[in-house]
Amino acid sequence: QKEVEQNSGPLSVPEGAIASLNCTYSDRGSQSFFWYRQYSGKSPELIMSIYSNGDKEDGRFTAQLNKASQYVSLLIRDSQPSDSATYLCAVAEGGSQGNLIFGKGTKLSVKP
Amino acid sequence: ETGVTQTPRHLVMGMTNKKSLKCEQHLGHNAMYWYKQSAKKPLELMFVYSLEERVENNSVPSRFSPECPNSSHLFLHLHTLQPEDSALYLCASSQDAGAESGGYTFGSGTRLTVV
Repeated sequence: QKEVEQNSGPLSVPEGAIASLNCTYSDRGSQSFFWYRQYSGKSPELIMSIYSNGDKEDGRFTAQLNKASQYVSLLIRDSQPSDSATYLCAVAEGGSQGNLIFGKGTKLSVKP
Repeated sequence: ETGVTQTPRHLVMGMTNKKSLKCEQHLGHNAMYWYKQSAKKPLELMFVYSLEERVENNSVPSRFSPECPNSSHLFLHLHTLQPEDSALYLCASSQDAGAESGGYTFGSGTRLTVV
């Protein structure tokens, strides 16, 4: 059973701080990794993708990937109350289909 | 209309009813998906269609029946559901089947309640 694990939280950070969200996965063949943001009552929205080891930055968001450790993380700098949401880690299965396997999500709360 | 649209947004149905969920994507994608999202559980992949052909069925009960008449439309036909089927049903699309092409775009979902 291929799994994606995330701490369900809630993770609470003060406004302006760095929020760090972590994810581990079991499928060593996975090559594509994604972070989705889901506001309460809304659908998931893709915010970051990463395919190579190392860091990928996009504005206030940085995704980090370590395939050897089967670990992917998302850093949110200068956190804002509008960042309060559930963040879903998704990993593409290794192999020809490559369907996305999702974690349960980490609920982030940014306090003003 | 842009992106992925789903109707209805909310649905309440009895256990003996028959209803259908509709999804339409305006992105020119070739693959479409149905996911189920229940409280405190990860998103569960139900069905995958690539170029209107079903490529995966993740052991979903037969009371859920998908239909993909063309690459832009996807339906989920429901009949004799159980209360535990109450959940948010999400449709998604991607350029090609699998996530290698860059992740999925989700619709707003249908909140289904079975009474």
